Amino acid sequence: DAGVIQSPRHEVTEMGQEVTLRCKPISGHDYLFWYRQTMMRGLELLIYFNNNVPIDDSGMPEDRFSAKMPNASFSTLKIQPSEPRDSAVYFCASSPGRTRYGYTFGSGTRLTVV
Amino acid sequence: TQLLEQSPQFLSIQEGENLTVYCNSSSVFSSLQWYRQEPGEGPVLLVTVVTGGEVKKLKRLTFQFGDARKDSSLHITAAQPGDTGLYLCAGPFFSNTGNQFYFGTGTSLTVIP
Repeated sequence: DAGVIQSPRHEVTEMGQEVTLRCKPISGHDYLFWYRQTMMRGLELLIYFNNNVPIDDSGMPEDRFSAKMPNASFSTLKIQPSEPRDSAVYFCASSPGRTRYGYTFGSGTRLTVV
Repeated sequence: TQLLEQSPQFLSIQEGENLTVYCNSSSVFSSLQWYRQEPGEGPVLLVTVVTGGEVKKLKRLTFQFGDARKDSSLHITAAQPGDTGLYLCAGPFFSNTGNQFYFGTGTSLTVIP
């Protein structure tokens, strides 16, 4: 398996623009997680899905953030409109379970909003 | 307040030295995981410890789960530049609000050749 695949690896955008981050989880993993990592706050869980259904989105910062999982092999995280404080590394991870198994992370998308 | 506190936050050592990093909590965890995150990549799972007092070895890395399952340590013998990275502990925590999975604050290790 190729692991969790994220795209793009780097994204630089202007404030106010829409940004879409993409993730392909490992086949057979029922859980998909979106995390944001910054120096100040570390790894923060934004939202997670179980069998394509959003379960907990309490970590999503505000209404500017939205996530979808239309099928078992694809998920998106969208920020509209983007702001400079959204600059961070965004990770997607997948796992066979919610807590019992380890998470497999993608390589991340480094987002810079100028 | 973080549920999992790691120390030290930063560590810079010379190649060949030994080191220990710690993961502490005031709460009991059913298991703890350790991840290593290399620069520009996502965290990678190294090990899971489940039983209080359990010790697991992965080449030069030794992981221990505290007897009370509230803490864990990672000891690296003869550190190599390839050990450089961010070390994260993580684990599931069951509370009255549900089943959550927490990551620690991380220890950033730099091994100088």
